[in-house]
Amino acid sequence: EAEVAQSPRYKITEKSQAVAFWCDPISGHATLYWYRQILGQGPELLVQFQDESVVDDSQLPKDRFSAERLKGVDSTLKIQPAELGDSAMYLCASSLWASALVAGELFFGEGSRLTVL
Amino acid sequence: TQLLEQSPQFLSIQEGENLTVYCNSSSVFSSLQWYRQEPGEGPVLLVTVVTGGEVKKLKRLTFQFGDARKDSSLHITAAQPGDTGLYLCAGVPSSNTGKLIFGQGTTLQVKP
Repeated sequence: EAEVAQSPRYKITEKSQAVAFWCDPISGHATLYWYRQILGQGPELLVQFQDESVVDDSQLPKDRFSAERLKGVDSTLKIQPAELGDSAMYLCASSLWASALVAGELFFGEGSRLTVL
Repeated sequence: TQLLEQSPQFLSIQEGENLTVYCNSSSVFSSLQWYRQEPGEGPVLLVTVVTGGEVKKLKRLTFQFGDARKDSSLHITAAQPGDTGLYLCAGVPSSNTGKLIFGQGTTLQVKP
């Protein structure tokens, strides 16, 4: 069964360092999402791509976070410099549909857990 | 802002008990989904409801979408330890159909 691949699963870093997460969505899925999830809480959308274009990055802290999906397939989320408050699970999800309106299912990866010391 | 409020935030029950989790908003949603997430994993979709008043059943789980499409509930009958996890509702606001908004989640612990 096709899955959303994410790496690394775990990352421990010191504050002020740079961190990068990678996501490979399910083949053929046009829409890719990056979410941040604090332990025990719901995911918060950071950025949404439609193919290679950013659809929504209104909640992305652009002074330190960046995301790209250059060829419209895999994606990278970068944090530089990392801060203590960035410790969280970073989830990537993909969807076949161009819009969540079509009640499309989001398929999530296993996430990348970041700990900033 | 379009918010989804889940209640309770945390629930600890004994095996065999019934429970209901609520997802409420003041906004209307085109559709609403329920996900379950286990520790260290990503959320997995359980169900999608799209019609006001709709009821869907998945084994011991019953999902309902409110008539006004502003709220939803998840009822679990005879809970089992395997039901333990974080339950998330997520909705597509009628006023912003490009978004999927998540509630803050309900952590369920079912003790054997």
